[in-house]
Amino acid sequence: DGGITQSPKYLFRKEGQNVTLSCEQNLNHDAMYWYRQDPGQGLRLIYYSQIVNDFQKGDIAEGYSVSREKKESFPLTVTSAQKNPTAFYLCASSISLGTEKLFFGSGTQLSVL
Amino acid sequence: QKEVEQNSGPLSVPEGAIASLNCTYSDRVSQSFFWYRQYSGKSPELIMSIYSNGDKEDGRFTAQLNKASQYVSLLIRDSQPSDSATYLCAVNTGNQFYFGTGTSLTVIP
Repeated sequence: DGGITQSPKYLFRKEGQNVTLSCEQNLNHDAMYWYRQDPGQGLRLIYYSQIVNDFQKGDIAEGYSVSREKKESFPLTVTSAQKNPTAFYLCASSISLGTEKLFFGSGTQLSVL
Repeated sequence: QKEVEQNSGPLSVPEGAIASLNCTYSDRVSQSFFWYRQYSGKSPELIMSIYSNGDKEDGRFTAQLNKASQYVSLLIRDSQPSDSATYLCAVNTGNQFYFGTGTSLTVIP
């Protein structure tokens, strides 16, 4: 079945450490997105990519980095510069940027040790 | 002003009643509108999409859109305990999705 796979489901970060969240899709979608969700909050856009080797900052990109070397993969690195990383991270994809439906992965809960 | 605003609730309705969820948006160029359901600790799942003014029905769910008033709503008929979740309103402006903070719904048996 086609879908989006995020891993790990739970991740713990030590102070000063960079951690990478994985996102893989086999839907053949061009556009991919990373969102952050804090308790009781909506989704805030971190980065998005509409094509391989191209990505754009969202509303809260500081302290995060991404790459898009393959169409299927869009990993997110939470750097030590992100001082409040505890949140639920969601990867999503759509056929192309601005098209109708977003498909979501199952999410990664990141916590600070 | 937030792009998409929702009443955060919580909203409580008895089983079998109609639940009404509301959403307003600020960008007049918004093109498409979505309702997602999110259970605690899970990812959002799409339950309704609507693109033109009026009502769209799918089973127990009805989405209503009024572009002149920049207003979109979701009605859930015959509410069930399994409908208890947070409902996110999302708006697509053509190159980006904007989400509301969600409305928490509890259906009381």
